[in-house]
Amino acid sequence: QKEVEQDPGPLSVPEGAIVSLNCTYSNSAFQYFMWYRQYSRKGPELLMYTYSSGNKEDGRFTAQVDKSSKYISLFIRDSQPSDSATYLCAMRVTGTASKLTFGTGTRLQVTL
Amino acid sequence: EAGVAQSPRYKIIEKRQSVAFWCNPISGHATLYWYQQILGQGPKLLIQFQNNGVVDDSQLPKDRFSAERLKGVDSTLKIQPAKLEDSAVYLCASSSRVSPTANTEAFFGQGTRLTVV
Repeated sequence: QKEVEQDPGPLSVPEGAIVSLNCTYSNSAFQYFMWYRQYSRKGPELLMYTYSSGNKEDGRFTAQVDKSSKYISLFIRDSQPSDSATYLCAMRVTGTASKLTFGTGTRLQVTL
Repeated sequence: EAGVAQSPRYKIIEKRQSVAFWCNPISGHATLYWYQQILGQGPKLLIQFQNNGVVDDSQLPKDRFSAERLKGVDSTLKIQPAKLEDSAVYLCASSSRVSPTANTEAFFGQGTRLTVV
């Protein structure tokens, strides 16, 4: 079993839709949870960052972490064609030297 | 602020040849990572440096891969000899995380796309 599981998609939605992206994980020591966005032929860029459980909102993006269920989500409201990308969840344990463990990424396509 | 610089962007080599990738992290970032991203998969950590020292190289195929970070700044990743399964994007990232609770996370370069034929 992988430490982090993520549905690879692809996920296709019409413009304006609410998108829900999810990851599950098995390591209960994970404390930091991130979402990266990766456009084609580009490196991942940090989108959202959450420490421990709870919600975090930034514009059209909301990240949720439920540590009791080992489940994290990213919601995108009013999706735009420019949101079309691969979304990678990543997480790590506490510590200055702890490494990021990534999911496989979900490819999202927002259509006009 | 300049980002993480990587070169070359693309490389095509034959199997059993050698190849080297270069990375210049964001200025002042003590932590440098090399990730391998195979098509359709998430990035997998190959090696992590803290300044000059190696923090984690548990997933680095040491019989063919090597990496160094001289003077705690630039880094090179080498593959010798290359195999077909090494075809992937090699991503370099850097971080200034200096305390367990700091929320400065890894910033990635654009990657080097390696094709082994």
